[in-house]
Amino acid sequence: NAGVTQTPKFQVLKTGQSMTLQCAQDMNHNSMYWYRQDPGMGLRLIYYSASEGTTDKGEVPNGYNVSRLNKREFSLRLESAAPSQTSVYFCASRSTGTPKDEQYFGPGTRLTVT
Amino acid sequence: EDQVTQSPEALRLQEGESSSLNCSYTVSGLRGLFWYRQDPGKGPEFLFTLYSAGEEKEKERLKATLTKKESFLHITAPKPEDSATYLCAVSAGTASKLTFGTGTRLQVTL
Repeated sequence: NAGVTQTPKFQVLKTGQSMTLQCAQDMNHNSMYWYRQDPGMGLRLIYYSASEGTTDKGEVPNGYNVSRLNKREFSLRLESAAPSQTSVYFCASRSTGTPKDEQYFGPGTRLTVT
Repeated sequence: EDQVTQSPEALRLQEGESSSLNCSYTVSGLRGLFWYRQDPGKGPEFLFTLYSAGEEKEKERLKATLTKKESFLHITAPKPEDSATYLCAVSAGTASKLTFGTGTRLQVTL
């Protein structure tokens, strides 16, 4: 099993450009999440999808959109990139039901907006 | 609002020098407390889940404990390969959204 995969690994954008970050999991998990990680801020939730066909806002959703394409895939789109969106983006998925409630993370996408 | 505070921010230990990392939290309706390890340039790696006060989990040199207000990650006789950032997170609600602390950077030297 590959677990959670993310593409691309690195990306540089100019202000105003758009892009889509891709995430896929092969663990048959229902829930998927997008986080951003900034120095001194910790990981913050952008959007999540509790199940296929549903998406909800997290703590910092402004400037982002998401699509739960199917059970495996959850993409994050930046429509008009801004320097404040320079960050490391992590996708995660979760098995459901106690005790297996932990989230598993991908390797991250490092995004720089100039 | 759920809050997680980790201390210290950074910790430097010599190999074999045991210590503890602290994670204090406030959450309405704790669903679980999670510990992750993160190496530079990589995603967080799951270590433990704790669900109720008094619970303990162990893995190699690591032991996690939970009270009603905080969790400790005890590191016994650490080795240089234990060097990493250790993240604590809590979840609440049915969607299990995680709220993370800012982490403790651990460096273990020879």
